[in-house]
Amino acid sequence: QSVLTQPPSVSAAPGQKVTISCSGSSSNIGNNYVSWYQQLPGTAPKLLIYENNKRPSGIPDRFSGSKSGTSATLGITGLQTGDEADYYCGTWDSSLSAGWVFGGGTKLTVL
Amino acid sequence: QVTLRESGPALVKPTQTLTLTCTFSGFSLSTSGMCVSWIRQPPGKALEWLALIDWDDDKYYSTSLKTRLTISKDTSKNQVVLTMTNMDPVDTATYYCARILSYGDRIDYWGQGTLVTVSS
Repeated sequence: QSVLTQPPSVSAAPGQKVTISCSGSSSNIGNNYVSWYQQLPGTAPKLLIYENNKRPSGIPDRFSGSKSGTSATLGITGLQTGDEADYYCGTWDSSLSAGWVFGGGTKLTVL
Repeated sequence: QVTLRESGPALVKPTQTLTLTCTFSGFSLSTSGMCVSWIRQPPGKALEWLALIDWDDDKYYSTSLKTRLTISKDTSKNQVVLTMTNMDPVDTATYYCARILSYGDRIDYWGQGTLVTVSS
């Protein structure tokens, strides 16, 4: 049972847009930055979005992030078959049991 | 160029203690804001954060696993070591070490991961 809640799967056709939600609480998303990670099959996760909505160098602007209250959203436009992957949200949890928390991951299928 | 590499046994027996080493380059763990963390992923399952050590030697552990985990660093060797006691088959997973900036900012670099299987 992950601390952050993500939909298990989303799908869309090539060229379309998709959003992935991530829901948490005031101790994590509500008071800390959210980051997003892309994990292609058989590889380590890769940073996609940090500080809620910033992209590291080399990440195309097809990927975007936003945060509102205790929820965050990853958006992907112009879907490509190469975007098929698992996507995870993550953040620091500032509760008494402080530490990093992740969502359960969302499998993106590009139909 | 930041790199991290995990090393340790691929197979451990139930009840044994697992020791994993993360050897990194391209940054110093004595620099303010730098942290190294361990994260694992059972086959076909989600990421699970395990432990973090920061530049000031502060340590944080997963609540559910804290009695079994110990994280430490050797700044001169650019290494972070994780030990996990009383291993069980449910601990079979790929174990990643990763660099974290300023606790909650981002996990910006990941190692390639090492698969640890727990079986007799």
